[in-house]
Amino acid sequence: DGGITQSPKYLFRKEGQNVTLSCEQNLNHDAMYWYRQDPGQGLRLIYYSQIVNDFQKGDIAEGYSVSREKKESFPLTVTSAQKNPTAFYLCASSLDKFTGELFFGEGSRLTVL
Amino acid sequence: QQPVQSPQAVILREGEDAVINCSSSKALYSVHWYRQKHGEAPVFLMILLKGGEQKGHEKISASFNEKKQQSSLYLTASQLSYSGTYFCGTERETDSWGKLQFGAGTQVVVTP
Repeated sequence: DGGITQSPKYLFRKEGQNVTLSCEQNLNHDAMYWYRQDPGQGLRLIYYSQIVNDFQKGDIAEGYSVSREKKESFPLTVTSAQKNPTAFYLCASSLDKFTGELFFGEGSRLTVL
Repeated sequence: QQPVQSPQAVILREGEDAVINCSSSKALYSVHWYRQKHGEAPVFLMILLKGGEQKGHEKISASFNEKKQQSSLYLTASQLSYSGTYFCGTERETDSWGKLQFGAGTQVVVTP
């Protein structure tokens, strides 16, 4: 079945450690996204990528980094520079550059101790 | 800047109607609507493109007022399955393609 797979589902890390969240899709979608979800704030855009080897900062990119070396993969690294990293992270993809439906993964919940 | 949604929450009895609004201070190219149930990923409901198009999904429909840069989601004859948090997502005309920003969400609770 086609879809988006995020891993791990739950992650605990100590303060000051970098963490990488995985996002893989087999939908053959061009565009991929990372959102952060906090209670009462909806989904905030971290990074997005329209095509392989290209990505743009969203509204809250500080303290995060991404790469898009393969069409199927868009990993997100939460660095130690992110001041409040504890959150629920959602990865999504859409078909192409024309406006389209976003397909979301199941999310990764990161807790920094 | 994220779009603004209202109300923050609404409680309905089964069969009642509700309207959720989404507005932007910038010109929009498109508005998306998603529903998220607790502990699950958001699920796509519909997209409305610039041009004032109205769309429907079962008894859930939406409109896009281009002049006001506002979209409204209509829940008609609500069912228990409509409970969840509804998010609007907007693409602004001045942003690069694909920059979809979401509002804070509207929590909908439908009671028997």
